[in-house]
Amino acid sequence: GAGVSQSPRYKVAKRGQDVALRCDPISGHVSLFWYQQALGQGPEFLTYFQNEAQLDKSGLPSDRFFAERPEGSVSTLKIQRTQQEDSAVYLCASSRSGTSGPYEQYFGPGTRLTVT
Amino acid sequence: QKEVEQDPGPLSVPEGAIVSLNCTYSNSAFQYFMWYRQYSRKGPELLMYTYSSGNKEDGRFTAQVDKSSKYISLFIRDSQPSDSATYLCAMNRGSQGNLIFGKGTKLSVKP
Repeated sequence: GAGVSQSPRYKVAKRGQDVALRCDPISGHVSLFWYQQALGQGPEFLTYFQNEAQLDKSGLPSDRFFAERPEGSVSTLKIQRTQQEDSAVYLCASSRSGTSGPYEQYFGPGTRLTVT
Repeated sequence: QKEVEQDPGPLSVPEGAIVSLNCTYSNSAFQYFMWYRQYSRKGPELLMYTYSSGNKEDGRFTAQVDKSSKYISLFIRDSQPSDSATYLCAMNRGSQGNLIFGKGTKLSVKP
């Protein structure tokens, strides 16, 4: 079946602009995660949804970052007033189950954000 | 000190070699261990998923977990140029869903 999809694949924003990044998880997957990957680094956790509930947002770097998943399927990560340090690849992953396992996470291709 | 340590390489081997990739971790609460492969400008692709200590084999890939040493390994037999990618180890505590990743090891397999 279809995997995780993300759009746009590439986004260039001027410093101070707001951006919205979209994630379509695998159909029926309960859990959805957002990660940020800087160049040459492993992905770092941002936030986690189980269905429409945001259960963990401890990784969001500032209050400029906001995520939602209103109907428990598609999710949007919004970054307000973008800064140069926000330049990174934003990855979305989904997992079939919630807290009871299994815990395999499947990743989308990512959105590469460049802030100029 | 990061929770998960992984040598970033780069690692260059000839085609057909056995490759050994490793990670160490500091948190004994980690229970689930994964290896992902990431090609340039692509998302991570799940290769292996293991729970508890021991070995798990899938084709040319073997994942090994030693919880007593807090050490995990991925072995690739008969390596191919198509295996050239960055390999990321990842782990989590189970009930807490987010993954903690290593930095990734960049592997190049020369024909």
